[in-house]
Amino acid sequence: GQNIDQPTEMTATEGAIVQINCTYQTSGFNGLFWYQQHAGEAPTFLSYNVLDGLEEKGRFSSFLSRSKGYSYLLLKELQMKDSASYLCAVSTSSASKIIFGSGTRLSIRP
Amino acid sequence: GAVVSQHPSWVICKSGTSVKIECRSLDFQATTMFWYRQFPKQSLMLMATSNEGSKATYEQGVEKDKFLINHASLTLSTLTVTSAHPEDSSFYICSAREGVRQPQHFGDGTRLSIL
Repeated sequence: GQNIDQPTEMTATEGAIVQINCTYQTSGFNGLFWYQQHAGEAPTFLSYNVLDGLEEKGRFSSFLSRSKGYSYLLLKELQMKDSASYLCAVSTSSASKIIFGSGTRLSIRP
Repeated sequence: GAVVSQHPSWVICKSGTSVKIECRSLDFQATTMFWYRQFPKQSLMLMATSNEGSKATYEQGVEKDKFLINHASLTLSTLTVTSAHPEDSSFYICSAREGVRQPQHFGDGTRLSIL
């Protein structure tokens, strides 16, 4: 079956660093996406990894290990506006659709 | 780039009404569009995948006759909720992608409330 696991909730402090993990078991793999979703809004695209390693984009970085079925999203210099849900999503072998995890609700405290 | 426009943002209507939601890719050609629904504090639930010019592929448990999807062009897909009832009230979100290894870009969503 298809399965994507990520923590339900996390809390971090403004200015700090937080790492949100994601593990997946899917029928094939064609890339992993991270999305940010604020309450009541649609998701916005953050990053895409298809090869192993770290992709850095400003304060956000995403890492992928295909052999381990593992990814993480790293957020640095946290700001209050980073409080949101972060969705891990995997494109399967057919690449016909993307499977989303349940999301990690990140709360930033001052 | 990669802007997806979804209309309307809000719909409030009486039970039994049919509601049409439009999803447009404004600056790219979307070979595939996706329709999701999301209940409060829950994850996205994929309803159907539509490719331009062909019939939509519905996920298990989603009624084809209830949720009509049309993808007539590379920039427009529509979802019609037929004879909507209060249990259809939800947040409906469309997304579109240009190619297989491209990310999905989401519309702003439509909040549907059926009285």
